[in-house]
Amino acid sequence: AQSVSQHNHHVILSEAASLELGCNYSYGGTVNLFWYVQYPGQHLQLLLKYFSGDPLVKGIKGFEAEFIKSKFSFNLRKPSVQWSDTAEYFCAVNALGGSQGNLIFGKGTKLSVKP
Amino acid sequence: DAGITQSPRHKVTETGTPVTLRCHQTENHRYMYWYRQDPGHGLRLIHYSYGVKDTDKGEVSDGYSVSRSKTEDFLLTLESATSSQTSVYFCAISENEGYTDTQYFGPGTRLTVL
Repeated sequence: AQSVSQHNHHVILSEAASLELGCNYSYGGTVNLFWYVQYPGQHLQLLLKYFSGDPLVKGIKGFEAEFIKSKFSFNLRKPSVQWSDTAEYFCAVNALGGSQGNLIFGKGTKLSVKP
Repeated sequence: DAGITQSPRHKVTETGTPVTLRCHQTENHRYMYWYRQDPGHGLRLIHYSYGVKDTDKGEVSDGYSVSRSKTEDFLLTLESATSSQTSVYFCAISENEGYTDTQYFGPGTRLTVL
């Protein structure tokens, strides 16, 4: 069965620090990859997605992610975080050949940014 | 933001009572999904729909049923609510087949079963 692992449960950073959140998935075939963000009390919003092409994907609010197929990874990065980036971040995978519509989520990483 | 509304936004109910949650979209998208979000579990798919009257089960479908009589509405019913169904429920939509498209989420319904 497909699964998604997010390595860090809770990350605490100071403003201007660099961010990297890990995401690994288990599936040997073709995948689509997503990062969603959930600000406190709000719904999930799409940060960025990878379907094909350039493995370095740029999203909203200065976030980017790199798909490394050999490592089954799709890590999220931001060079300089802001207090407003405090949120929970979810990596998700949709696999070709998987159940239709079945987007598999990681358990999430909570990011706290100290002003 | 995708045109998705969920109702109610908050509900407290008692064990054994039936509960229906509604998801309404204005995008005319074919695919609709119900997820539940629990601490430490991320989001898990309950049921999804790929058209009017076309639905299928997800990962955690036990205790839930769904119906879709119109493109814009997708209902989630807990026939007899249990405390283990206390959760935040999110509806999502996508225009095309799930693998090739992006899912967009509604604001969520926080359900507490006492």
